[in-house]
Amino acid sequence: SQKIEQNSEALNIQEGKTATLTCNYTNYSPAYLQWYRQDPGRGPVFLLLIRENEKEKRKERLKVTFDTTLKQSLFHITASQPADSATYLCALDAGGGADGLTFGKGTHLIIQP
Amino acid sequence: EAQVTQNPRYLITVTGKKLTVTCSQNMNHEYMSWYRQDPGLGLRQIYYSMNVEVTDKGDVPEGYKVSRKEKRNFPLILESPSPNQTSLYFCASSLRDRGLKGYTFGSGTRLTVV
Repeated sequence: SQKIEQNSEALNIQEGKTATLTCNYTNYSPAYLQWYRQDPGRGPVFLLLIRENEKEKRKERLKVTFDTTLKQSLFHITASQPADSATYLCALDAGGGADGLTFGKGTHLIIQP
Repeated sequence: EAQVTQNPRYLITVTGKKLTVTCSQNMNHEYMSWYRQDPGLGLRQIYYSMNVEVTDKGDVPEGYKVSRKEKRNFPLILESPSPNQTSLYFCASSLRDRGLKGYTFGSGTRLTVV
């Protein structure tokens, strides 16, 4: 069965450092991969999307890499700030008429001042 | 402002009493979807719709119904709610080509069935 794995434990990072979150998947051939931020009790907010034929995408302090051979995506936040503390969700989509987004369970990121 | 609007935000109901959670988007999106989120299980898709009058089951459709009579609206119907449907529900919408931009999510509906 399809499986998406993210660090299940909270990730503690010191302010100013780079936070790196991992998303691994099995039994899946995604057309694209997305990253979302979710704050407690709120809806997920879209951050970045990367297609299967792309290796890397950047947006301001955010960077996403996508390795379809390793079946892994890395999500980086550079110069991290306490306001970056949240749960980050990885989501895969096979594209076309398929089911839409399948989400990982998320990684809780804590940026300590 | 581009948004997905869900109502109500909070709902407490009793077992077996039919309820509807409304979802509306103002972005002319073709694709809409409902998710539920439970601790330890993450977000799981209930139903989705590729366009008006086109709906299909997601991963956890049992006990739910949907309809898509208009492009902007995608209500979630619980005909006979049970306590195991207590959850946080999210509606989301997207362009038909979901690889162009991400999904826009609503603020969520916290449902408690007693």
